Amino acid sequence: QVQLVQSGAEVKKPGASVKVSCKASGYTFTGYYMHWVRQAPGQGLEWMGRINPNSGGTNYAQKFQGRVTMTRDTSISTAYMELSRLRSDDTAVYYCARDVLWRNWFDPWGQGTLVTVSS
Amino acid sequence: EIVLTQSPATLSLSPGERATLSCRASQSVSSYLAWYQQKPGQAPRLLIYDASNRATGIPARFSGSGSGTDFTLTISSLEPEDFAVYYCQQRSNCHFGQGTRLEIK
Repeated sequence: QVQLVQSGAEVKKPGASVKVSCKASGYTFTGYYMHWVRQAPGQGLEWMGRINPNSGGTNYAQKFQGRVTMTRDTSISTAYMELSRLRSDDTAVYYCARDVLWRNWFDPWGQGTLVTVSS
Repeated sequence: EIVLTQSPATLSLSPGERATLSCRASQSVSSYLAWYQQKPGQAPRLLIYDASNRATGIPARFSGSGSGTDFTLTISSLEPEDFAVYYCQQRSNCHFGQGTRLEIK
């Protein structure tokens, strides 16, 4: 079955960077966009961007332009999201989610990775 | 930028009742709207895409309707496991609504 498994929780200091991984299995990794969505504690869902695992092409939400980098390693079917210059309000659960039908619908989702930014 | 507004913020109902959740877009999104369910401590799950198509494995009690700017998610008869937060999402900029919390009355 299709499965996305993310890396473990991280604690970072303000100004640092974090890189979260998302390992895909059960389907052809290069055949579907991968999206990244985050959720601050007690808050709603916020789309960060997507990567085309086949070409490596990316689209980022304007809010994160200049701070986020999405990459992939097709040899191990893994997508990555790196967020730099972390602030306390970047504390959130970060999810990867596979695209559906090339239409920017998300299914399934990874289990989430909690990133805590604290001095 | 298209903004999605969900109502109500919280809906209190009993098992067996019918739930109607609303999502309004600030401009037309045609039929390009999805609904997700999120339970505490879990990742969201896709329920409905393209306004009215159920995702794989989603029970028939979940249905979606609407087009343009007004959309509805209906749960025909609430089961205990349906009490959760529901989000709508549009595909042009991938933004989500703020969510509706469906709680047990």
